[in-house]
Parts: sequence; C-alpha cells; structure tokens
Amino acid sequence: SAVISQKPSRDICQRGTSLTIQCQVDSQVTMMFWYRQQPGQSLTLIATANQGSEATYESGFVIDKFPISRPNLTFSTLTVSNMSPEDSSIYLCSVGPGASQPQHFGDGTRLSIL
Amino acid sequence: GESVGLHLPTLSVQEGDNSIINCAYSNSASDYFIWYKQESGKGPQFIIDIRSNMDKRQGQRVTVLLNKTVKHLSLQIAATQPGDSAVYFCAENGANDYKLSFGAGTTVTVRA
Repeated sequence: SAVISQKPSRDICQRGTSLTIQCQVDSQVTMMFWYRQQPGQSLTLIATANQGSEATYESGFVIDKFPISRPNLTFSTLTVSNMSPEDSSIYLCSVGPGASQPQHFGDGTRLSIL
Repeated sequence: GESVGLHLPTLSVQEGDNSIINCAYSNSASDYFIWYKQESGKGPQFIIDIRSNMDKRQGQRVTVLLNKTVKHLSLQIAATQPGDSAVYFCAENGANDYKLSFGAGTTVTVRA
C-alpha cells in the first residue's frame, strides 16, 4: 500500500491562528480524504480532496474554516483556520483507489489549541 | 450516511485467548465493510475487509463475519497477543460510494 506522510506530526497553537497540514503520498492516488478524530472519538470525514478542483465538504464542515488544496495526485493540504480550543483533534489524511476499496491512513497531526 | 456502531467500548482479553469484536450497522445498502486497528499515536491500519456477497473472510489470525440479516459484523482475533492491544474500528460504505462511515471503536486490552 501507499506510504503516506503527514507534517507536522503535532503542534500546539494559539487560538485565532491558522495551521496548514501537509499530506504527501509516495505514489499517485485517485482519492484523498481528510478526517478529524476528536479526543477519544471515532473518525469523521471532513472532505474529499479533488485534484484540480474544489474539495467536496461533508455536512458541518465549510471551506472557510477548512480550506483544502490538492495540486496534484500525490499531495494535499488542509488548513485549520481561526483556531479555537474546540479544534483540538487529530487530523488524518487517507488515500484510496475508489469505492469498495480500503483507504489507507497517515499517522495524523495532533493539534492542540491553547 | 447512516450510523455504524460498536456494541462494547472496551474489551479485556487474556493473552492467548480469542477475541471477538462486534459492530452493528444500520444502512441496508452498505455493501463493503472494513476493520481497522489504531495503536496509540498512529493512524488507523487496515486489517481486513469483506464485501456483502460474502459472509466470512479469513486473514492471518483474523476472521471477519458478516450477517446481513441482522446487520452485524464481527472481527475475531485468534490467540490474542500483547501487540493486539489497540482501538478497533469498523467502517462501511455503500455501493459506488467511496466515503467511509466509521463506528465508535472498541478498545482492546490484552492481559499478560
């Protein structure tokens, strides 16, 4: 399976600031996704990162808060904007070939907002 | 999508015993199911998957069972080892749907 690298692995940020998380894959992939995992909780899909077009956001997530880029088939970024303590979570990137196929995950970015 | 959930949030098992982790789903249109293992500080790791045209699939030390009649999925781990201690998630998607819905997760602790 693809090797997925996320940067940074963790960060502590001040409220009101923004942080951009990078996801790099070692091979070209069709689908890339961003998830949020709040402390002690399961994973919730934020959006599907579409190559060359705007990301597709899930209910409860908006582009102004979580802008996403995907300039090519191996790279994507997620920005968490105007952060508040409620944004303290693990943010995970995943990749997959398509429907009815397993997604594979990076190790996530652990974000704490003070 | 509809929810996918787990029956029990924690499971403690003696090393060497078999483990069974359960998952209930509510979307009758779901046709693909996955089990993931998440260790502390890591992302979810794919364990095994199963499609709705099957009721059982085996891997190395793991077996997934699917009962579509009662919308139930289980993961069996044979001869549980300390390295099996982790949080286990089931996930599902529907036909032609690339998005995964995750269950709540079961924390498995292996006793020496």
